[in-house]
Order: sequence, then C-alpha cells, then structure tokens
Amino acid sequence: DAGVIQSPRHEVTEMGQEVTLRCKPISGHNSLFWYRQTMMRGLELLIYFNNNVPIDDSGMPEDRFSAKMPNASFSTLKIQPSEPRDSAVYFCASSPTQNYGYTFGSGTRLTVV
Amino acid sequence: GESVGLHLPTLSVQEGDNSIINCAYSNSASDYFIWYKQESGKGPQFIIDIRSNMDKRQGQRVTVLLNKTVKHLSLQIAATQPGDSAVYFCAEKYNQGGKLIFGQGTELSVKP
Repeated sequence: DAGVIQSPRHEVTEMGQEVTLRCKPISGHNSLFWYRQTMMRGLELLIYFNNNVPIDDSGMPEDRFSAKMPNASFSTLKIQPSEPRDSAVYFCASSPTQNYGYTFGSGTRLTVV
Repeated sequence: GESVGLHLPTLSVQEGDNSIINCAYSNSASDYFIWYKQESGKGPQFIIDIRSNMDKRQGQRVTVLLNKTVKHLSLQIAATQPGDSAVYFCAEKYNQGGKLIFGQGTELSVKP
C-alpha cells in the first residue's frame, strides 16, 4: 500500500490566490482527517470525514477554508483567498474506522507570501 | 511584534540508554491514546496505542504506561538509538467516533 498520498509536497503562492491541497487516503479507510501544523499552535485538527461525510469542521479557521470529499479515494482542502498566516504544513490522515490510530501523509508545506 | 514559536520540551539521552517521555492528557473521559513519532520533514508515524481498560502495553523496544488516576501517559524506549531522534506526540480520543487531540510534543535527541 502506498499510504496516504498528498499533493503537492510544497506550495508557494501569493497572498490572495486560491490554494488547493489534495489527499488520497489509504484504500478501505473510512475516516479522513485534515490537520494543520505550525510552531505556534502545534497539530490542529481542521475537519474530518466519515464515509465521505463531513462530521466535524469546528477546527476550520474561517470561511476562507473549505474541504470536500467527493468519493472515498479523494479529498481536497481549499483556501480562498490565501493569507500569509495560512503558511503551515497541512497533513491529511486516514483511519480504517473511528476507533483506531491514523496514518498520516507526508504533508504539504504551504508558504503564502 | 515577531511571533514566538512553541518551545518544545527536550529530552537528551545517550545512545543505549532508556528514554522516558511523559504526557499529561486533558480529559478524564478519554478512552484511547496513541504515541506518534515525527521526524523532520515527515508526517507523524504511529508507534503504539493503548485503550483505557489497560495500564500497560508493550511493543518492540517501546512500552506505553497509562495512569488514569492522574491522567498521565508515558512512552518508554529501551536502548535508545540515534534513529529514535524525533519529536514525540501523545494523542487522546475522548468520545466514540471523536477526533484525536494532540499534545504539544517532546523532542528527543540521542547522542552517539
């Protein structure tokens, strides 16, 4: 299994631009999670899905952030418009059920200038 | 002003020694706990987990201890190796189907 696959690995964009981060969970995993990691705040859960349905998006910072999971093998996290304070490493993780540990992807390092 | 990053607790050990990393969790209703290892430039990697009906669980070179009375979790690494150098996070889950909440992490540095 290739694990959780995220793309791109690095993204540099200008303030105001739209950014889309992508994630392919492990096949057969029913839960998918988006986390953000910064030095200031550590690892924060943004949103998670069970069976493609968003369950808890209370961690999404503001309306500029949105996430979708159109099918069991793909999810996106979109920031529009992006701001410098959005610079962070964004991780996607998946889990076979809600009661097991997550497998993380390698992350997308986002820099907004 | 300039923002200040988190100052992670740091544990420095000699190669071959045993390491103990501690974590205080927040919610007495948490029923599932995990330790993750994160190396520079990589995502967190699962090490070992434990459920609240246990107080000890062993893996290969690692042991997790859970003390629910004081809401404390520890990770013991036997015969620490340079490859163990990383940031270690504990995480807790406190309701059915709930999300994992991560601690701030501890940086382990192994001196050869």
